[in-house]
Amino acid sequence: GAVVSQHPSWVICKSGTSVKIECRSLDFQATTMFWYRQFPKQSLMLMATSNEGSKATYEQGVEKDKFLINHASLTLSTLTVTSAHPEDSSFYICSASSTRGGNQPQHFGDGTRLSIL
Amino acid sequence: QKEVEQNSGPLSVPEGAIASLNCTYSDRVSQSFFWYRQYSGKSPELIMSIYSNGDKEDGRFTAQLNKASQYVSLLIRDSQPSDSATYLCAVNPGKEYGNKLVFGAGTILRVKS
Repeated sequence: GAVVSQHPSWVICKSGTSVKIECRSLDFQATTMFWYRQFPKQSLMLMATSNEGSKATYEQGVEKDKFLINHASLTLSTLTVTSAHPEDSSFYICSASSTRGGNQPQHFGDGTRLSIL
Repeated sequence: QKEVEQNSGPLSVPEGAIASLNCTYSDRVSQSFFWYRQYSGKSPELIMSIYSNGDKEDGRFTAQLNKASQYVSLLIRDSQPSDSATYLCAVNPGKEYGNKLVFGAGTILRVKS
C-alpha cells in the first residue's frame, strides 16, 4: 500500500520550455502533497506544500510564479516549471500523506530528473 | 528553527555486523519520527515509523525513540551490502508546522563484503 506514482521520470528539454510533472497517490487519498528538489549530493529541499482544493504554500525563496502547483483532487498534484532554464535542472520529488491524520508518514514518488539544455 | 541532526558519515560496517544510526531533534513537541533510505540517484523510501518511546522492530530493522533525550536511532542487524545507502531521519513537529517533515542531512552507510 501507499504507492505514489510520479511522471515523467526523465525530462530533457530546451531552455524556455515549460515542464509539467504529475504526482498521483494510487491507493490512498492524500489531502496534502509535498514537492521537493534535490541537487547532487545535497539534502532534500522542500519547495512547497500542496493542499487539495487550495493554493499551495511555498517555502521561502521559492518563486511561486516559476513553480506552479495545482492540487485538483485527493489523488493528483502537478508541478509546472515555467520557462525553465539550466539552473532549474535538478531531481524533483513529490510525496503524499494519507488523509487519516497528521502523524502519517510521507510516501515518495520515484522522482523526475529534469535536464534543461 | 526546527533542526534534525545526523552524523553525515560515512559509517562503514562489515557485512553481517550491526549498523547503528543516530539522530537528535530540537523540537520537544514532535510526535512522529521516520527513517527513510535513499539509494544514490533514487527517491527516499520509508523503512520505519515510530511514535512512542521505546523500541520498534521490523525484520532486521529496529527503531529506538527517547523523547526525553530527543533522540531517535535505527539499528540494522546482519547488515548486507544492499543496505549501503543514505539514511534520512525525519521528524514531524506537528500540525502547527503544517505536517511538514524536517529532515536530517542523512548518514551514508557503507556495508563492506
